[in-house]
Amino acid sequence: NAGVTQTPKFQVLKTGQSMTLQCAQDMNHEYMSWYRQDPGMGLRLIHYSVGAGITDQGEVPNGYNVSRSTTEDFPLRLLSAAPSQTSVYFCASSYSGAYTGELFFGEGSRLTVL
Amino acid sequence: AQSVSQHNHHVILSEAASLELGCNYSYGGTVNLFWYVQYPGQHLQLLLKYFSGDPLVKGIKGFEAEFIKSKFSFNLRKPSVQWSDTAEYFCAVNRDTDKLIFGTGTRLQVFP
Repeated sequence: NAGVTQTPKFQVLKTGQSMTLQCAQDMNHEYMSWYRQDPGMGLRLIHYSVGAGITDQGEVPNGYNVSRSTTEDFPLRLLSAAPSQTSVYFCASSYSGAYTGELFFGEGSRLTVL
Repeated sequence: AQSVSQHNHHVILSEAASLELGCNYSYGGTVNLFWYVQYPGQHLQLLLKYFSGDPLVKGIKGFEAEFIKSKFSFNLRKPSVQWSDTAEYFCAVNRDTDKLIFGTGTRLQVFP
């Protein structure tokens, strides 16, 4: 069972570079989301999607773009990386949305911006 | 602003000690409440959840949580912790929206 797959697991960027964190799920979940995890701040919601073609902002959307062209994939784009975006990023999905709270998380992507 | 607060940032216990981790939220009205656990090097997993009904909820691995509406609290408890409970614990709240908001987390260390 693949579940939620995130790539890459580790990435180092220089300030101003762009990159995309990939997230794919094979559970046919309509709901997908991106969180960032920072020490002392817990998990903060960046963007989420309730289905293909639909995205919305979370708590900390600035500096990040998302799109949802298929049910399976929900990539997170950093257009111009900043040191403040150094974090661990988690993708999560759910069959019935965040209402149930039963999110399935990926293993995380650790990003360092120099 | 609406928020979820976990006041215990770091808890250190010996095996067999009892555990209680605090969680308070500032939302009004009906909420759904959750506790997640993140074991070292692993991703988050759902520990237990509360939607309605009995305010005392039992989860996996002997954990339970009590919803006290008047105190806006959803504290996590375990009568006797084990070394394998060493992890970070997150409280989360959803108010019938597509946003699941997490607290800042509590790191639990259990020593044999």
